[in-house]
Amino acid sequence: QVQLVESGGGVVQPGGSLRLPCEASGFIFSNYGMHWVRQAPGKGLELVAAISYDGSDKYYGDSVKGRFTISRDNSKNTLYLQMNSLRADDTAVYYCARDLYQGVGDYWGQGTLVTVSS
Amino acid sequence: EIVLSQSPVTLSLSPGERATLSCRASQSVNNNYLAWYQKKPGQAPSLLIYGASSRATGIPDRFSGSGSGTDFTLTISRLEPEDFAVYYCQQYGSSPLTFGGGTKVEIK
Repeated sequence: QVQLVESGGGVVQPGGSLRLPCEASGFIFSNYGMHWVRQAPGKGLELVAAISYDGSDKYYGDSVKGRFTISRDNSKNTLYLQMNSLRADDTAVYYCARDLYQGVGDYWGQGTLVTVSS
Repeated sequence: EIVLSQSPVTLSLSPGERATLSCRASQSVNNNYLAWYQKKPGQAPSLLIYGASSRATGIPDRFSGSGSGTDFTLTISRLEPEDFAVYYCQQYGSSPLTFGGGTKVEIK
């Protein structure tokens, strides 16, 4: 069955960096686009970044543009989110999701919590 | 950017009742590219509906989606205990993709 497992979350100081991996299994990873979506405490969902099946096309939300980088390694079935210059308002649970079609996530991981605090 | 407004913010109902959730877009959603998700605390979101009215794999037929243009509806015909959750709509017809603020369906 499809499984997505995020890791790499934790507490980081403002201005710091963190890299989140998402390991995929149960499907042909290289055939699917992927997303990162986050949910801040008490808030709704926000699409952070998306990447095409081969990594050639990438999308970033305005709030993370220039600070976050999405990438993938199809040989390792792994999606990444490199987060730099972290701010307090980046505190959230970060989910990776498989793209069903043009931005719809049909399978999601359980999420990893990122807390930006001094 | 398309802003999605969901109403009501909270819906208090009893198991067995019908739930009607609204998602209104600030401008027309291209191709009716509107999805609905269910979110429970501590769990990943689950895709319910895409393309405004197509049920995702494994979703029971008590969940249905309808609407077009700027007005969309998610209907749960008879609430089961496991349906009490927060529901989000998402439009994916225009960039940036956006989510609504959510409707919480709570037990009355």
